[in-house]
Amino acid sequence: DTEVTQTPKHLVMGMTNKKSLKCEQHMGHRAMYWYKQKAKKPPELMFVYSYEKLSINESVPSRFSPECPNSSLLNLHLHALQPEDSALYLCASSQEEGQHLSSYEQYFGPGTRLTVT
Amino acid sequence: TQLLEQSPQFLSIQEGENLTVYCNSSSVFSSLQWYRQEPGEGPVLLVTVVTGGEVKKLKRLTFQFGDARKDSSLHITAAQPGDTGLYLCAGGGRRTTGTYKYIFGTGTRLKVLA
Repeated sequence: DTEVTQTPKHLVMGMTNKKSLKCEQHMGHRAMYWYKQKAKKPPELMFVYSYEKLSINESVPSRFSPECPNSSLLNLHLHALQPEDSALYLCASSQEEGQHLSSYEQYFGPGTRLTVT
Repeated sequence: TQLLEQSPQFLSIQEGENLTVYCNSSSVFSSLQWYRQEPGEGPVLLVTVVTGGEVKKLKRLTFQFGDARKDSSLHITAAQPGDTGLYLCAGGGRRTTGTYKYIFGTGTRLKVLA
């Protein structure tokens, strides 16, 4: 099973709302990632979790708050977003994190299309 | 930070034509991955190339890793409308701080017309 699932598929939220994006994988991968992708651009890394601990935060604004409740789940909590945060949010996983092949082969979920009004 | 430049940025061709997409860098990569992303979906891993000069085939897709492991190419034979999508190369690179970062190429958007 090489599937990464994400919910919801689409989300529309106001700038004062609080919402959460969810990601799940059952491949036994120990690294999980959040990416942001704007239209016609490659994915941009936001956060990396390794063994359920935050490993990398790419200077993401605090209105985005990641959480890794267990090795299979990854959440992204959203609060007080701006219209420019509208994008496709992708979750990915890999066997490990670090400088080896098993970390480079990433498996992506279908993404959550977020619109901030 | 290391960069991966892809060319062309956009390609529109007729069904049955052949095409090649390039992924270039001035830096050496231990491996490169190729992904295809369809509109509204996440990238799907197609292949990993590891050894300099390596050639891998996936049906009508042929992937090659440069001898110096600084570049890669994707060749599609007899393109079909189902090949339409955003093609991304990616690899593990190094930040200016010395730590690693997974880098995506600039992307090639392919449209195959029936």
